[in-house]
Amino acid sequence: AQTVTQSQPEMSVQEAETVTLSCTYDTSESDYYLFWYKQPPSRQMILVIRQEAYKQQNATENRFSVNFQKAAKSFSLKISDSQLGDAAMYFCAYRSLNTGTASKLTFGTGTRLQVTL
Amino acid sequence: DSGVTQTPKHLITATGQRVTLRCSPRSGDLSVYWYQQSLDQGLQFLIQYYNGEERAKGNILERFSAQQFPDLHSELNLSSLELGDSALYFCASSVSRLAGGQETQYFGPGTRLLVL
Repeated sequence: AQTVTQSQPEMSVQEAETVTLSCTYDTSESDYYLFWYKQPPSRQMILVIRQEAYKQQNATENRFSVNFQKAAKSFSLKISDSQLGDAAMYFCAYRSLNTGTASKLTFGTGTRLQVTL
Repeated sequence: DSGVTQTPKHLITATGQRVTLRCSPRSGDLSVYWYQQSLDQGLQFLIQYYNGEERAKGNILERFSAQQFPDLHSELNLSSLELGDSALYFCASSVSRLAGGQETQYFGPGTRLLVL
């Protein structure tokens, strides 16, 4: 079974600065997807970014980018120019691509990000 | 707005009772997933349906059941409720169950269940 580990329960960043959230995962599969979801105080789960394991290029979405290290099974999220609206819980998630496996998401425990003035 | 709707937003009930949570997927999405978010268990996958058929089960209790109807909306039924069932229940939807497709799961706003 796959597991996802987020070792930073809480992080803090000043507005306009850059912060990196860590995520490691354990799998024996070679093809999979990785995701970062954001959960603001409203509790809505919002997709931030997605990475396909077969792609060597790191995904980027505006101020959000990932550092995907497949061999190390590491998938960190970098938020640049942090804004107050980035304050939320961030979840790392894994999804298998094996045809015999359901498309469920396996989540980490989350990292709570505080953004200060 | 993800396009996934869930009703009700909040639900307060007593132990031993039965409740039904409803989810309408995004237009065109065939797969529906149910997740439970609780303080002690985190976010856990419960069950997946694809085009009306059960596709996969996760950590779903026997007291819980779900179904997906011909119009693709889904219901999660929780019975003999216990205090520990208090949680935020999410529904998510995606286009296809086919692994390898670029499907992304989009989440509804959740139903907050409080069992007293």
